[in-house]
Amino acid sequence: GENVEQHPSTLSVQEGDSAVIKCTYSDSASNYFPWYKQELGKGPQLIIDIRSNVGEKKDQRIAVTLNKTAKHFSLHITETQPEDSAVYFCAASKWADKLIFGTGTRLQVFP
Amino acid sequence: EAQVTQNPRYLITVTGKKLTVTCSQNMNHEYMSWYRQDPGLGLRQIYYSMNVEVTDKGDVPEGYKVSRKEKRNFPLILESPSPNQTSLYFCASSLSSATDTQYFGPGTRLTVL
Repeated sequence: GENVEQHPSTLSVQEGDSAVIKCTYSDSASNYFPWYKQELGKGPQLIIDIRSNVGEKKDQRIAVTLNKTAKHFSLHITETQPEDSAVYFCAASKWADKLIFGTGTRLQVFP
Repeated sequence: EAQVTQNPRYLITVTGKKLTVTCSQNMNHEYMSWYRQDPGLGLRQIYYSMNVEVTDKGDVPEGYKVSRKEKRNFPLILESPSPNQTSLYFCASSLSSATDTQYFGPGTRLTVL
C-alpha cells in the first residue's frame, strides 16, 4: 500500500526565516496531497493542498510544490512567525476513500 | 457553528472493559473517518465511512468496530480494550470523500491500564 515519509521530524527556525518540510510517497498513482497543521491540544486543520495536475500552489506565506517524477512534495513557509509553531502533517491519497499521513514535523519558531 | 464533536475528551479505563467514543458532525457530511495518533507514527486511519451504512477498514482496524446508522454520527467501539490501544483518537468528516477538506474533532485521549 501507499507509504508517506516525512522529514525532518523536528525543525527550529528563527522568526522571519523560511521553513521547508519534505515528503515522499511510494504510489505513483497518488493524486491528492494535503498539508495539515496541528496546534497544541487541537485537531489537525487543512492549510493547503495540491492535486497531481498542478506543480505548485501558493497561499500568502505558504506554498506547496509537487514533483511527480521524483514522487515528492514539499511545504514552504516564508517569513515565519511564532504562531507558525505547530506540528505539520503531509498526506497522500490515490482513491477518494483514504488519506495516508506522514509522521509529522514539529516546527518551532523562535522570536 | 460547524463542528465535529467527540466524547469523552479524556478516558482512563481497564483492559477488557468495553467502551464507545462518540463522534458527531453538524455539516451534513457524507464521509467520516477515525484516526489514532501515536508519537513517531503520525496519524493512522482506523475505519472510514463513505455514507450511511457504508464502512470500511483503514490501515489499523484490529480491535476496533464502527457503525454508521445515521449521517451525523460515527461511533468508535472498543469491545475489549488493551494497553496497546492507549492513544489519542481523532474523528474527522468531509463533504464526500477523503480528498475533500477533512474537519477534525478535538480528540479523545484514551488510556487503557
